[in-house]
Amino acid sequence: AQTVTQSQPEMSVQEAETVTLSCTYDTSESDYYLFWYKQPPSRQMILVIRQEAYKQQNATENRFSVNFQKAAKSFSLKISDSQLGDAAMYFCAYRSYQTGANNLFFGTGTRLTVIP
Amino acid sequence: DAGITQSPRHKVTETGTPVTLRCHQTENHRYMYWYRQDPGHGLRLIHYSYGVKDTDKGEVSDGYSVSRSKTEDFLLTLESATSSQTSVYFCAISEWQGNTYEQYFGPGTRLTVT
Repeated sequence: AQTVTQSQPEMSVQEAETVTLSCTYDTSESDYYLFWYKQPPSRQMILVIRQEAYKQQNATENRFSVNFQKAAKSFSLKISDSQLGDAAMYFCAYRSYQTGANNLFFGTGTRLTVIP
Repeated sequence: DAGITQSPRHKVTETGTPVTLRCHQTENHRYMYWYRQDPGHGLRLIHYSYGVKDTDKGEVSDGYSVSRSKTEDFLLTLESATSSQTSVYFCAISEWQGNTYEQYFGPGTRLTVT
């Protein structure tokens, strides 16, 4: 099974500043998808951003962007202009490109605190 | 929210009792999943379904069974609950988005086994 590692259990950022959350993964596949999910205190899992491994261009969604380094198997999330509402657990996830279950493999999460 | 509901939202039960969690979706999605979330483990797949009466095991399926008799409902059953099954359980669906499937999650069920 694929493994996803988030080595930062906790991070903090000052409001309006930029923070980067790290994620690495292990796979023998050449095609796959990577995701970042946000889990606020409400417990709801919210999809933040998606990256296809076959795309060289890094994905962006408003204030959220990724740095995808395929050779290094690294997939970091950058949050710009941090807001209080960004405070949450963030999970990195991997999905195989192959058809089938389409299930996700998750990292252990990074808790982000936003300091006013 | 992809029209996913879970019931109950919270449950406390005793060791050895059977428990069934329900996931209901309203948008005719083919794929449905049950995950559990535990501190230090992220989310892990228990079982998934790829159609009515079509299910398969995930990473942590021991002690769990599932059933899907209708497209809209996916049930997770703990035949004899144990304290190690205390967790938050999430249901999810896969939805086609442009060029791939994305997973969307229900609100979760917090289960405590005493």
